[in-house]
Amino acid sequence: AQRVTQPEKLLSVFKGAPVELKCNYSYSGSPELFWYVQYSRQRLQLLLRHISRESIKGFTADLNKGETSFHLKKPFAQEEDSAMYYCALSGYQGGKLIFGQGTELSVKP
Amino acid sequence: DAGVIQSPRHEVTEMGQEVTLRCKPISGHNSLFWYRQTMMRGLELLIYFNNNVPIDDSGMPEDRFSAKMPNASFSTLKIQPSEPRDSAVYFCASRPQTGDTEAFFGQGTRLTVV
Repeated sequence: AQRVTQPEKLLSVFKGAPVELKCNYSYSGSPELFWYVQYSRQRLQLLLRHISRESIKGFTADLNKGETSFHLKKPFAQEEDSAMYYCALSGYQGGKLIFGQGTELSVKP
Repeated sequence: DAGVIQSPRHEVTEMGQEVTLRCKPISGHNSLFWYRQTMMRGLELLIYFNNNVPIDDSGMPEDRFSAKMPNASFSTLKIQPSEPRDSAVYFCASRPQTGDTEAFFGQGTRLTVV
């Protein structure tokens, strides 16, 4: 069965501290993993996806197939990073797109 | 393209009334998704369509919920009769079926059932 688990509902850090938002998944086959972000009162938007291997706004995420994880990391958090973050999964080339429960990141000054 | 368009943005209705949420996907996108967002459960997939055909509706909570996609540019999610526990934000998203698999979201409909 497809499943995405984000164990933390809320993560609170101080500005300049490192951040790691955890994501574990369950999928039989080759998944495509994503991180979406939702800033206050805005629509969800793609932050990054594993196939791109890029860094967006200082965030990176590495797919670890052995641990079935796709954790999101940033070395130095900024106040503007405060938002809701969702990890998502689908099969390669489309299909069902499911999300985790989300983690609210709060970056304090 | 104006992106995925949902209407209404806000809906307040009384328990027992019928509610219809609407979505216009991005032109050329053949996959469309309906999600429900709550604090307790996060973002739940209710149903998704490929080429206007419902592929997986296993997330639809009860028979009170139904969704249609009569053509490539329009979809509806209907709740009849509505109940207070249906109160949530409902999102529609679309993406191409193949190729670039980024999904684009609408701004959501905030539904309150009193």
